[in-house]
Order: sequence, then C-alpha cells, then structure tokens
Amino acid sequence: DAGVIQSPRHEVTEMGQEVTLRCKPISGHDYLFWYRQTMMRGLELLIYFNNNVPIDDSGMPEDRFSAKMPNASFSTLKIQPSEPRDSAVYFCASTAQGDFFAKNIQYFGAGTRLSVL
Amino acid sequence: AQTVTQSQPEMSVQEAETVTLSCTYDTSESDYYLFWYKQPPSRQMILVIRQEAYKQQNATENRFSVNFQKAAKSFSLKISDSQLGDAAMYFCAYSSLSRQFYFGTGTSLTVIP
Repeated sequence: DAGVIQSPRHEVTEMGQEVTLRCKPISGHDYLFWYRQTMMRGLELLIYFNNNVPIDDSGMPEDRFSAKMPNASFSTLKIQPSEPRDSAVYFCASTAQGDFFAKNIQYFGAGTRLSVL
Repeated sequence: AQTVTQSQPEMSVQEAETVTLSCTYDTSESDYYLFWYKQPPSRQMILVIRQEAYKQQNATENRFSVNFQKAAKSFSLKISDSQLGDAAMYFCAYSSLSRQFYFGTGTSLTVIP
C-alpha cells in the first residue's frame, strides 16, 4: 500500500492566488482528515469527512478555505485568496472505520509545505 | 475545551540512554485516547504508541513506553536505549470519543552519538 499521498510536496505562491492541495487516501479508508501545522499553533484539525461527506468543519479558519471530497479516492483543500499567514504544512490523514472506532488511529501523508509570499 | 501541552520544546539524549518526554492535557471527559506521534524530517506523522484512558495499564511498544497518570492528566513517553533513528519531533495527541483530535506543539528530540 502506498499510504496517504499528498501533492504537491511544496507549494510557493503569491498572496492573493488560489492554492489547491490534493490528497489521495489509503484505498478502503472511509475517513479523511485535513490538518494544518504551524510553529505557533502546532497541529490543528481543519475538517474531516466520512464516506465523502464533511462531518466537522469547525476548524476551518475562515471562508477563504474550502475542502471537497468528490469521491472516495480524492480530496482537495483550497485556499482562495491565499495570504502569507496561511503559510504552514498541511497534512491529510485517513483511516478505516474499524481502525478509527476500535483504535482511534489515523494514517498521515507526508504533508504539503505551503509558502505564501 | 481540550488542550494538550508539551512543555519541552527541545530535548536531547545520549545514544543508548533513556529519555522521557512530558505531556499534560486538559479534559472534562472520562473516556478518551492518548497518542504519541513521531515526525522525522520526512514530515510523515508516524504513530508511536496509543493509550486508552479506561485502561490503567501503561502501554508499551518495544523501546517505547508511557507513564499515564489519569488523575494528574499526564501522559509522558519514555524512550529506552535511544537510537539515532529516534531523532525527530514528537507530538502528544488527545482524541475524544467523538474523534476530535488535539495535538501538542511538539518536542524536538536530538540523539547524540
């Protein structure tokens, strides 16, 4: 299994531009999570999906952020327009219901480092 | 609200020695899960060890063990016989039964040869 795959690994953009981060969860996993990691705030949960449906988006910082999961094998996190304070590492994680409810375990991707200039 | 605090931004240990990383948390719930994740330079978040709050027995995984003090809301990680490959950022995490995850700000561990 290739694990959770995120793309791109690095993204550099200018303030005001639209940024799209992508995630491919582990096949068969029905939960998908988006996190943001910064030095100041650590790792924060932004949103999570179950069976492609957003369950809790209370961590999404503002309307500039949106996330979609059009199918079980793909999710996007979009920032429009981007701002320098959005610079962070964004992680995607996935898990299967069995692992989640029995063990509360998530499997993380390698993250996307976003720099907004 | 749940919070997770790691008061040691950086720690170092001699190779083959033992090191303990601290974590405290705040919650009003009686049942929950606690985790330690390792983040090497590759940025991947790797699950090291997991503890269910209803279990009194401390979890162990090979050289990694925890000291779970529920009343004190403390969850420290002990790494025995430290190896160079243990050098990484370590994150303590809390999860409620509703599956909300909360992470600490991390402890950077250096292993000195």
